[in-house]
Amino acid sequence: DIRVTQSPSSLSASVGDRVTITCRASQNIGNYLNWYQQKPGEAPSLLIYGASSLHDDVPSRFRGSGSGTDFTLTISSLQPEDFASYYCQQSYNVVPWTFGQGTRVEV
Amino acid sequence: EVQLVDSGGGLVQPGGSLRLSCAASGFTFNRWNMHWVRQAPGKGLEWVSYISSSSITTYYIDSVKGRFTISRDNGKNSLYLEMNNLRDEDTAVYFCARGHPIVAGASDLWGRGTLVTVSS
Repeated sequence: DIRVTQSPSSLSASVGDRVTITCRASQNIGNYLNWYQQKPGEAPSLLIYGASSLHDDVPSRFRGSGSGTDFTLTISSLQPEDFASYYCQQSYNVVPWTFGQGTRVEV
Repeated sequence: EVQLVDSGGGLVQPGGSLRLSCAASGFTFNRWNMHWVRQAPGKGLEWVSYISSSSITTYYIDSVKGRFTISRDNGKNSLYLEMNNLRDEDTAVYFCARGHPIVAGASDLWGRGTLVTVSS
């Protein structure tokens, strides 16, 4: 199985901060890396697919980058509604499509 | 409204069975691949199973192979997960999710989830 290591597991930030979350895959996955946001008690929602493509209606302050084994999610200016957990997921050509352990962004 | 509504969760004893359902609306269900993803209490996300739009292709995570069966009824716009021989470690919120049209393993629409608790 392809392992995905996400860091940090949690971070403290303030409104307006620039936030960076990283994911590292255990093998080359090209650009098959997706990012999700999940708020407490809610289902996840897709933010970015294919490493850098913004999903519909996702604000432009979210940016995904990287390829191969190293990927980054950047929130350029943290907003109050961005306090949540974030997960990366590799969706390379083999199952299982594994998720990172998650990053909790809190005040 | 485009949505997925999961149902069928509950409390079941180890070794028991449960059938989850997911009702789709607001989109052409038979054109979309579908997934089940689960989340144990306080834990991260785990992809569980996939079914193609025509049911020809199915995939499972190793830990549920031989115990879980994914299926769909395109005439009823519904997705199912038949779960047998349930174990304590299957306790989780189960989400049905729509497969992304470009990236097979990604999911662009999620149900709210249904809680499965396996306990004696």
